[in-house]
Amino acid sequence: AQSVTQPDIHITVSEGASLELRCNYSYGATPYLFWYVQSPGQGLQLLLKYFSGDTLVQGIKGFEAEFKRSQSSFNLRKPSVHWSDAAEYFCALQPYGGSQGNLIFGKGTKLSVKP
Amino acid sequence: EAGVAQSPRYKIIEKRQSVAFWCNPISGHATLYWYQQILGQGPKLLIQFQNNGVVDDSQLPKDRFSAERLKGVDSTLKIQPAKLEDSAVYLCASSLGPLTNYEQYFGPGTRLTVT
Repeated sequence: AQSVTQPDIHITVSEGASLELRCNYSYGATPYLFWYVQSPGQGLQLLLKYFSGDTLVQGIKGFEAEFKRSQSSFNLRKPSVHWSDAAEYFCALQPYGGSQGNLIFGKGTKLSVKP
Repeated sequence: EAGVAQSPRYKIIEKRQSVAFWCNPISGHATLYWYQQILGQGPKLLIQFQNNGVVDDSQLPKDRFSAERLKGVDSTLKIQPAKLEDSAVYLCASSLGPLTNYEQYFGPGTRLTVT
């Protein structure tokens, strides 16, 4: 079965520190992978996506993610966190090919940023 | 361009009552999705429309949930009768098409509380 696991429910980092949010997936082939951010009261905003090619993907707001096939992982990173990055982050998988547009989400990781 | 619009933003009802949510997708987007996001979990797809036809409603509880997309533009999601476990945020998203390379754009959601 297809699934996404985000092992960390809540992470707190200091402003200016580096960040890594973990994401592991289960899928029979290489899926399409996404990271979304959700601020309180807001909809989901796409940070970045991986379809194929270069395994290091750059996104908006200074985020990047690395696809590691051997580890079935797609971890999100940022070198220096800003207070405005406090939000909930969701990793998502989309089955490859065809017209299957539905996203399969992890449970999310809530990021808190301390001054 | 205007984003995905949803209304109402908040709704409180008693169990066994009915409720309806409305979604207006981004102009020109043929594909529309409804997701249910229960507190502490990632969004889960309820139904996917391509124009005014249903592509996937496998996870829609059809005994109480219904959705339509008349004229292939706006959509409504209805719950009748509501149960306590229906308390969640209902997210609408749209994309240009159903293929996996089309980004989904999310609305702000409707937070439903069933008492």
